[in-house]
Amino acid sequence: AQKVTQAQTEISVVEKEDVTLDCVYETRDTTYYLFWYKQPPSGELVFLIRRNSFDEQNEISGRYSWNFQKSTSSFNFTITASQVVDSAVYFCALSEAPDFNKFYFGSGTKLNVKP
Amino acid sequence: DGGITQSPKYLFRKEGQNVTLSCEQNLNHDAMYWYRQDPGQGLRLIYYSQIVNDFQKGDIAEGYSVSREKKESFPLTVTSAQKNPTAFYLCASMIMGLAGGNEQFFGPGTRLTVL
Repeated sequence: AQKVTQAQTEISVVEKEDVTLDCVYETRDTTYYLFWYKQPPSGELVFLIRRNSFDEQNEISGRYSWNFQKSTSSFNFTITASQVVDSAVYFCALSEAPDFNKFYFGSGTKLNVKP
Repeated sequence: DGGITQSPKYLFRKEGQNVTLSCEQNLNHDAMYWYRQDPGQGLRLIYYSQIVNDFQKGDIAEGYSVSREKKESFPLTVTSAQKNPTAFYLCASMIMGLAGGNEQFFGPGTRLTVL
């Protein structure tokens, strides 16, 4: 079974629209970490955020915000007022006990932001 | 500048030939990883290494081999036994942590095409 599910394969929006990328995870551990990465067309993954399982506070960084809900095992990512430069593939990832050094990645969501 | 370098960026190989992809990091990270990315399939772990002279198979290790003779280097050999090697290969590294929470850093990737 997939440990991280990103059900949205591809999303297209027009610039300035808000968009939410979904991430659902599965784990039996009480201690785990969730991550979001951005992969622009150049190919290199860029780290965006990490969250540990004990911190359910939502986080906001500029136009980016993350909603972590343990009750629904979700860690969704919202981009407000999207821009063309946000076009990329976004990956959600999980690391869990006992081997926190091994990551499980979702299949990614490709975001197209049109001018 | 600290970072991860992968070479070459593009690689072409004839069917039946082995080929080695280079990955070097100067971040002094303990752990290194190789992932394969196919369109729409996200990242799949091939091999990872947490210490010099030791490595573990990931989810799709068949047809691949690695070595970790130096902390900075983690080359990946795609052998002729790999039935469908055409893909984008990403190398990553990370500071090891028993408590978890560290992010992986990624190289720019190598696109391998088998002719």
